[in-house]
Amino acid sequence: DVKVTQSSRYLVKRTGEKVFLECVQDMDHENMFWYRQDPGLGLRLIYFSYDVKMKEKGDIPEGYSVSREKKERFSLILESASTNQTSMYLCATALGITSTDTQYFGPGTRLTVL
Amino acid sequence: EDQVTQSPEALRLQEGESSSLNCSYTVSGLRGLFWYRQDPGKGPEFLFTLYSAGEEKEKERLKATLTKKESFLHITAPKPEDSATYLCAVKAPGGYQKVTFGIGTKLQVIP
Repeated sequence: DVKVTQSSRYLVKRTGEKVFLECVQDMDHENMFWYRQDPGLGLRLIYFSYDVKMKEKGDIPEGYSVSREKKERFSLILESASTNQTSMYLCATALGITSTDTQYFGPGTRLTVL
Repeated sequence: EDQVTQSPEALRLQEGESSSLNCSYTVSGLRGLFWYRQDPGKGPEFLFTLYSAGEEKEKERLKATLTKKESFLHITAPKPEDSATYLCAVKAPGGYQKVTFGIGTKLQVIP
């Protein structure tokens, strides 16, 4: 079974703080993704990574950056948190570069920015 | 632009009352259609992947089917533990693994 873990289930931060969200997978998957999920908007892709140190912007990358120093670990960074970044953040992984590969999700981090 | 529309937005069923959830999509060159289950406050849990029209997959009380324009998730004799939001997603060809998600159908099964 694919195991995807996220560093925190709930997080509360202040406006302007730097925030780190971490995702770890144990299945040797090549691809890792960060999404945010908001009511009425569904899941939207922030960034993804197809290899160590490689990253690509998704649909809504503004205000975020990512880091992938090891294959199993993918971090999402909010350089200066703002209230409009309050959301559920979901990490996902997929096996390889084949376009049919299924994405598997972690438990999510509910971030509140005050 | 790829689009996924799920209906209804919410569905309330009595235990044992079978029904279907719909996922309509527009995408050029479908590479896969995915169904996920999501419980409140948790990440989506993978259920099925369908690749071509006519394909069907089953898991316990759930059965997913696919046509060229839509997919159905049939729930037979549901139980209260089937209550969740069901998400549909489609994958299109592209430089990266572009997946478009629907907003979901929130299912409540009443004992």
